[in-house]
Amino acid sequence: DIQMTQSPSSLSASVGDRVTITCRATQSISKSLNWYQQKPGKAPKLLIYAASSLQSGVPSTFSGSGSGTDFTLTISSLQPEDFATYYCQQSYSTPPTFGQGTNLEIK
Amino acid sequence: EVQLVGSGGGLIQPGGSLRLSCAAAGFTFSNHAMSWVRQAPGKGLQWVSGIGGSGAGTYYADSVKGRFTISRDNSKNTLYLQMDSLRAEDTAVYYCAKSLGSGWSKTFDYWGQGTLVTVSS
Repeated sequence: DIQMTQSPSSLSASVGDRVTITCRATQSISKSLNWYQQKPGKAPKLLIYAASSLQSGVPSTFSGSGSGTDFTLTISSLQPEDFATYYCQQSYSTPPTFGQGTNLEIK
Repeated sequence: EVQLVGSGGGLIQPGGSLRLSCAAAGFTFSNHAMSWVRQAPGKGLQWVSGIGGSGAGTYYADSVKGRFTISRDNSKNTLYLQMDSLRAEDTAVYYCAKSLGSGWSKTFDYWGQGTLVTVSS
C-alpha cells in the first residue's frame, strides 16, 4: 500500500495568514492526489482533486500543487471557516490511502 | 442536489453482524462507483471498501477482507455494507462516498453524514 505522510500534524495560524500543508507519498503517484477538509462532527469535503483542480464551489483561496511524491495545499488568506482538519489522499492505486491529517487551529 | 443518507449503525457485540445502508439521490447512481470510508473515534480516515457502478467490481481493505461485503441495488439507489465477525477495532463512524467521474475512481466528491458503529460487549 502507498503510505501518505502530511506535515505538519498541527498548525496554528491567524485569520488572513497564508498557510501551506505538505503531503508526501512513499512512491510516485503522478498527480493522483486529493485534498479534503473536515470539520468536527461533519463528513469530509473534497477541496482539490488531481493535485491542482479546484472542486466546484470551493473558494479560490485554496490551491494545490505537486506531482510524483510531493504535494502542497495552500490557503492564501485564512478565513474563520477554514479552521478544520485537512487530509490528503492518493487515488493512484487501490487501496486509496489518506494522510494522518493536519489540524489547523486558530492562533 | 446530491444526497447520501447512511443508516444501520448501532451497538453490536464482538463477533456480531450489522448491515449499513446508504440511500442516494440527485445523481445517476448506476453511473458511479461508491465506497465506504471509516473514521475511528479521534482518528483519521480509512477506506474500507468500494464497488463499481454496475456492481461487478468490488474492492476491500485487507483489514476487512473476508468479513465485510459491499453491494448495491441500482434499482433502489442504495449502497450496502454487510459487516460480519465484527471486532472492537471496527468501531468507527462509517461514511458512504460517491466517486467522481466514471469507472473505478478513487476520488470522493460527495460523502454521507456518517453512521456510528460501536463494537463492544
